[in-house]
Amino acid sequence: GAVVSQHPSRVICKSGTSVKIECRSLDFQATTMFWYRQFPKQSLMLMATSNEGSKATYEQGVEKDKFLINHASLTLSTLTVTSAHPEDSSFYICSALGTIQETQYFGPGTRLLVL
Amino acid sequence: DAKTTQPPSMDCAEGRAANLPCNHSTISGNEYVYWYRQIHSQGPQYIIHGLKNNETNEMASLIITEDRKSSTLILPHATLRDTAVYYCIVRAKAAGNKLTFGGGTRVLVKP
Repeated sequence: GAVVSQHPSRVICKSGTSVKIECRSLDFQATTMFWYRQFPKQSLMLMATSNEGSKATYEQGVEKDKFLINHASLTLSTLTVTSAHPEDSSFYICSALGTIQETQYFGPGTRLLVL
Repeated sequence: DAKTTQPPSMDCAEGRAANLPCNHSTISGNEYVYWYRQIHSQGPQYIIHGLKNNETNEMASLIITEDRKSSTLILPHATLRDTAVYYCIVRAKAAGNKLTFGGGTRVLVKP
């Protein structure tokens, strides 16, 4: 139980294009999902908290217009990196919090490379 | 969330117990202690969590001191696949359920 998937697992795109990453909770409903970013040899940094049916809450320093988050259902949240630039290249990881659980379960991550 | 302090790295012998310490001296009464691990190029994996009492599951045991200012994660029989970065995190249930990751402990299990 408590499986979270992400798609795609890796993506390469050209500078200036937009990339959408999906995060799905496969066997439970997630009222809240989180998006993290991890640069090489660094720890995970929380980007935003996504609640189903409402606007995401962004951490300080994270541009909401650049990192668009949509949480339209209890099993799906999407992160769109708009107008991606090479400095956006990173490992993006989502997590999901169940309606009756206290624990966050993480997806496998999406590696983004912007050329 | 309270800050945690973990050793940056440690080596363990395969088949032996691995004891991973974590200090959280400023933990509040309503904050849980969570342990996750991250194997290279994967998302973090939940291991165990606790509030006051010691906890055990199929992966590990969590020992929390009586004053709750420190804890130890015990991997009873370390295998090579346990090589990972282990994160100790304290989280208040009311704090939007956010997890704040520190540097963790890089554990290398050696044959």
